[in-house]
Amino acid sequence: NAGVTQTPKFQVLKTGQSMTLQCAQDMNHNSMYWYRQDPGMGLRLIYYSASEGTTDKGEVPNGYNVSRLNKREFSLRLESAAPSQTSVYFCASSIRPTAGDHNEQFFGPGTRLTVL
Amino acid sequence: AQSVSQHNHHVILSEAASLELGCNYSYGGTVNLFWYVQYPGQHLQLLLKYFSGDPLVKGIKGFEAEFIKSKFSFNLRKPSVQWSDTAEYFCAVNARNAGNMLTFGGGTRLMVKP
Repeated sequence: NAGVTQTPKFQVLKTGQSMTLQCAQDMNHNSMYWYRQDPGMGLRLIYYSASEGTTDKGEVPNGYNVSRLNKREFSLRLESAAPSQTSVYFCASSIRPTAGDHNEQFFGPGTRLTVL
Repeated sequence: AQSVSQHNHHVILSEAASLELGCNYSYGGTVNLFWYVQYPGQHLQLLLKYFSGDPLVKGIKGFEAEFIKSKFSFNLRKPSVQWSDTAEYFCAVNARNAGNMLTFGGGTRLMVKP
């Protein structure tokens, strides 16, 4: 089991460029999440997908779009990158969408994105 | 909305010292509580979790945490730290009636000197 995988590991963009971050999980989890990590702010939820075919906004969705391509894959797109989107992006997954027993989230290795 | 506070942003300890990292949350309902660790250059890994039952939770690598409902706290402890515990530690909370979205604290960066 690879768990949660993310590509690319690193990316540098110029302001206004677009890109898609890819995430896949092989744990047969129903729910997937995208977070960004900024110094001193912990992780903040950008978007999540409770189940295949559904997506919802999290705490900081502006400037991002997501696609739940199938049960395994959940991508995050920056249509027009801005320097404020320089961050480390983490994808996560969990078995269920509800906050029940033993429903912890498993995280991928992250993508370090710099927008110049 | 729920929030999570980790008051210690940076902690420096010598090996064998005891560790306690504070975590407080603001939410009046039933919660699940987590501590994650991020070693340098790595992704977040779950250290321990509390869902229900015994408020003293034991996790991996000798860590434990105590849920004190009256204080809205979930502090992380380890009796004797090692150099390999150098990492950033995140407390996270999700409210039982708010889906499975985690709210994270700002993190505590721990450095253990050999």
